[in-house]
Amino acid sequence: QKEVEQNSGPLSVPEGAIASLNCTYSDRVSQSFFWYRQYSGKSPELIMSIYSNGDKEDGRFTAQLNKASQYVSLLIRDSQPSDSATYLCAVKSGGYNKLIFGAGTRLAVHP
Amino acid sequence: DAGVTQSPTHLIKTRGQQVTLRCSPKSGHDTVSWYQQALGQGPQFIFQYYEEEERQRGNFPDRFSGHQFPNYSSELNVNALLLGDSALYLCASSSRATEQYFGPGTRLTVT
Repeated sequence: QKEVEQNSGPLSVPEGAIASLNCTYSDRVSQSFFWYRQYSGKSPELIMSIYSNGDKEDGRFTAQLNKASQYVSLLIRDSQPSDSATYLCAVKSGGYNKLIFGAGTRLAVHP
Repeated sequence: DAGVTQSPTHLIKTRGQQVTLRCSPKSGHDTVSWYQQALGQGPQFIFQYYEEEERQRGNFPDRFSGHQFPNYSSELNVNALLLGDSALYLCASSSRATEQYFGPGTRLTVT
């Protein structure tokens, strides 16, 4: 079992719709969770961090965390073509700041 | 406020050669982590430097080594390059347990 799992996609949504990206993790003691966006040929860009169960909203983005189910999700409301990218889920592992990444979900928003 | 910088941007090397990649962290950050990202994969943790010492290491051979300088900048060295070392090498900076921010990366091609 991989430590952090994501559907590879592509996830295709129409412009203006809600995109839902999911991630599961295996380490029950993980406490910190992150979503990065990566455009083709570029480096990952941090868009959300979440540490407590529940929802965290930032603009059009909402991160959801359920530690009991070991599940993290990212909702993107009013999706735009500029949101087309690969979204990487990352989990902080261990006492230091090591991040374990999933393979990423490719999102395609079509006009 | 300068973000994380990396040099060079691109690099082409031959099998068996050695390479040095460089990273300057974001202002105010004292921790540097290095990741390797193969095409279509999520970043894989190589190691992390704090106070000029390697604090944590991922599952990479001893051919991968690093260094952190008193100004918090860091180098990643890879000896005896293999074709499989071709990847995007990412540097991320942070301060203690804060979020990690990535530099633009160095694209290494081994021929």
